[in-house]
Amino acid sequence: KAGVTQTPRYLIKTRGQQVTLSCSPISGHRSVSWYQQTPGQGLQFLFEYFSETQRNKGNFPGRFSGRQFSNSRSEMNVSTLELGDSALYLCASSSRGRAVYEQYFGPGTRLTVT
Amino acid sequence: AQSVTQLDSQVPVFEEAPVELRCNYSSSVSVYLFWYVQYPNQGLQLLLKYLSGSTLVKGINGFEAEFNKSQTSFHLRKPSVHISDTAEYFCAVSDQEIQGAQKLVFGQGTRLTINP
Repeated sequence: KAGVTQTPRYLIKTRGQQVTLSCSPISGHRSVSWYQQTPGQGLQFLFEYFSETQRNKGNFPGRFSGRQFSNSRSEMNVSTLELGDSALYLCASSSRGRAVYEQYFGPGTRLTVT
Repeated sequence: AQSVTQLDSQVPVFEEAPVELRCNYSSSVSVYLFWYVQYPNQGLQLLLKYLSGSTLVKGINGFEAEFNKSQTSFHLRKPSVHISDTAEYFCAVSDQEIQGAQKLVFGQGTRLTINP
């Protein structure tokens, strides 16, 4: 089974621009979560989608948004980029089987804002 | 709300020596507990998890962890480490009471460095 894939792997943007990151979950997984990883704040939960609905949300400003499509693929959007948005953005997927709380992470998208 | 404290930001050990990475958590509700490993330029890989049952949990790559409810701890151990264990390790919790939710709260990580 293919793992979680994230595209692109690396991205450089300028302050004020917007960016869209993509995540394809493991086949059959319906839950997709997003996390931001920075040296200062560590790993922080952004939001989770299940069956195209946002089920849980972290403490991030409204500039961060996401969506999930009917095939469970998810996108995350950040508008009006700030320097502090530079981070590794990780996507994780999980199924609703016995391992319902086991999340499988992708390799991440490293976003640099200049 | 939950919080996780990893007591050591860096742990250097010699190859074949034992290691313990410490994790304490705080929560007003019951939680599930996890340890993840992150190798350079990669995502997170699940090492082991505690959901219920036996408090000693065995994971991949020879790691194990013990859940201690009274001390709210979930320390990770390995009896003999290898150079390939050099990585960053994260302890995480999730709220049992949010049915089906996947929000993980992570500690700040412990960088394990194995010296030959």
